[in-house]
Amino acid sequence: QQPVQSPQAVILREGEDAVINCSSSKALYSVHWYRQKHGEAPVFLMILLKGGEQMRHEKISASFNEKKQQSSLYLTASQLSYSGTYFCGSPSRGDMRFGAGTRLTVKP
Amino acid sequence: DTGVSQNPRHKITKRGQNVTFRCDPISEHNRLYWYRQTLGQGPEFLTYFQNEAQLEKSRLLSDRFSAERPKGSFSTLEIQRTEQGDSAMYLCASGYRGGLSYEQYFGPGTRLTVT
Repeated sequence: QQPVQSPQAVILREGEDAVINCSSSKALYSVHWYRQKHGEAPVFLMILLKGGEQMRHEKISASFNEKKQQSSLYLTASQLSYSGTYFCGSPSRGDMRFGAGTRLTVKP
Repeated sequence: DTGVSQNPRHKITKRGQNVTFRCDPISEHNRLYWYRQTLGQGPEFLTYFQNEAQLEKSRLLSDRFSAERPKGSFSTLEIQRTEQGDSAMYLCASGYRGGLSYEQYFGPGTRLTVT
């Protein structure tokens, strides 16, 4: 079963913050985050592990809440380059189930 | 550029024809994944290999789809008797175990259009 992402879309002004959530009804052991720009392939950002530390990629950080079976991606002081669609993925054995994505648009 | 290459980048074919795509992963990576992505959706898992062994196939992968990874290097994905519903972006990802989970690095994809 694929993870559920929220919101589906976010529009920000440069410098504003945003939070993207990824939740699952199944037990999560790790959550992978990717960003995909239009017409390009997804790019790996980071992995959150159950019981692990909060991770960072530039000014983007993420956390894992075991009780809520949820991971959250925090985009701080957003830059124009952050625009794209963010996907979370939940591995199940070897395969990966991706959420439907959150489209982030950062405007000047 | 992640170091993963896919060929061709675009393929237009007529319904009923067979197509084959190739993926060259990062050489040190032992896992290789295939995904399908349609507009507005996340990548949809198809299958993956660990070295040359195909370890899992999605139920979405009908018998018209077959994938190989001879010698654990490059991989091919073949679709036989293509249908219009097969039109999508086919993504390959190269994976290695960084810590407790596998990181995946995607290639640029092959866009298939079935007319």
